[in-house]
Amino acid sequence: EVQLVESGGGLVKPGGSLRLSCAASGFTFSSYSMNWVRRAPGKGLEWVSSISSGSGYIYYADSVKGRFTISRDNAKNSLYLQMNSLRAEDTAVYYCARDPYEAYYFDYWGQGTLVTVSS
Amino acid sequence: AIQLTQSPSSLSASVGDRVAITCRASQGISRALAWYQQKPGKAPKLLIYDASSLESGVPSRFSGSGSGTDFTLTISSLQPEDFATYYCQQFNSYPQITFGQGTRLEIK
Repeated sequence: EVQLVESGGGLVKPGGSLRLSCAASGFTFSSYSMNWVRRAPGKGLEWVSSISSGSGYIYYADSVKGRFTISRDNAKNSLYLQMNSLRAEDTAVYYCARDPYEAYYFDYWGQGTLVTVSS
Repeated sequence: AIQLTQSPSSLSASVGDRVAITCRASQGISRALAWYQQKPGKAPKLLIYDASSLESGVPSRFSGSGSGTDFTLTISSLQPEDFATYYCQQFNSYPQITFGQGTRLEIK
């Protein structure tokens, strides 16, 4: 069974940093591109970042470019999102999501981890 | 960036009803569209990909249609477990993926 479990969310002050993790199991993690998608309170879904299976291709939404860094460790079956210079508008539930074979949509999602940016 | 506009934003319906949710793209996206269902506190669930392909395990009462700029998600006979929020997502302009604003489907 495919499982994605996010962790690392919490309360952080504006300008602060946080690192999210996503532990994957039940599939060959190293074969799949992975993504982060967020949902702000009362808002819809927003794609944040993606990383190819071998980390050769990395992309970001304009709203986080220069502040967030996506990475992965295939030996540990883990995906990460380093978030710096956090803003109130980054407050959201962050989901990791799997891309089935470079399809560019998402077939499995984690339950999400809440990030709250507030003073 | 390609904008997706869903309509309606919210919808009240009864068990057994046939409902349709539309998604309009600001420019043509061929058939590069997916639909998701999200329930409160849960992860989104993939329903439809490539505009009309049903994801494995998804009930056949869900169907998708359309191409270019206009797309529709249809639920043929609403079941109690279908009351949720639905999102469309385009991937034609990958890596700049965008979602619609969501359609909240409520019980009448």
